[in-house]
Amino acid sequence: ELKVEQNPLFLSMQEGKNYTIYCNYSTTSDRLYWYRQDPGKSLESLFVLLSNGAVKQEGRLMASLDTKARLSTLHITAAVHDLSATYFCAVDSNYQLIWGAGTKLIIKP
Amino acid sequence: DTAVSQTPKYLVTQMGNDKSIKCEQNLGHDTMYWYKQDSKKFLKIMFSYNNKELIINETVPNRFSPKSPDKAHLNLHINSLELGDSAVYFCASTHLNGEQFFGPGTRLTVL
Repeated sequence: ELKVEQNPLFLSMQEGKNYTIYCNYSTTSDRLYWYRQDPGKSLESLFVLLSNGAVKQEGRLMASLDTKARLSTLHITAAVHDLSATYFCAVDSNYQLIWGAGTKLIIKP
Repeated sequence: DTAVSQTPKYLVTQMGNDKSIKCEQNLGHDTMYWYKQDSKKFLKIMFSYNNKELIINETVPNRFSPKSPDKAHLNLHINSLELGDSAVYFCASTHLNGEQFFGPGTRLTVL
């Protein structure tokens, strides 16, 4: 059974700092997704990573996938308050996504 | 142009009642899902339909019954509502690359 673990589950950081959220999964998959959820809102797709070594960047966020290590990272560069949200990773397995528990990110001015 | 829509957005009801949530997608996707998100934000898949056929039916009380009249619609009917059913329910549909698109959610409160 595929399991997906995110860490940290909670992260409070200062604006301007860099940090990384990690997403580990337990069995083979080469498709991984990152989503953002603001309080009281729906989930918004951020990145789709479909192969080993895939790297995607959007603004201050960069996501990468290492299928051999079964690891994806979401790197935040020079964080700003607007990036405060909960971030989920999800791994494709047999026509469904297996979700991590989410990382609640709070960025303080 | 809403891609995945759900109604209602909020649903407050008494224990024991029966209620339905509707979902529609205009993305042309073949596969749709229902998820339950609890107060700790954990996402649990409930059902998945591919082209009107049920393909995923997770361990969910049989008080929950999905119905897909066509591939653009997936509705969720809940009988005999219980306090523990209070949650946010999300509908989603999936692109060929596996990326899922979510509806706005339905916040269900059972009193």
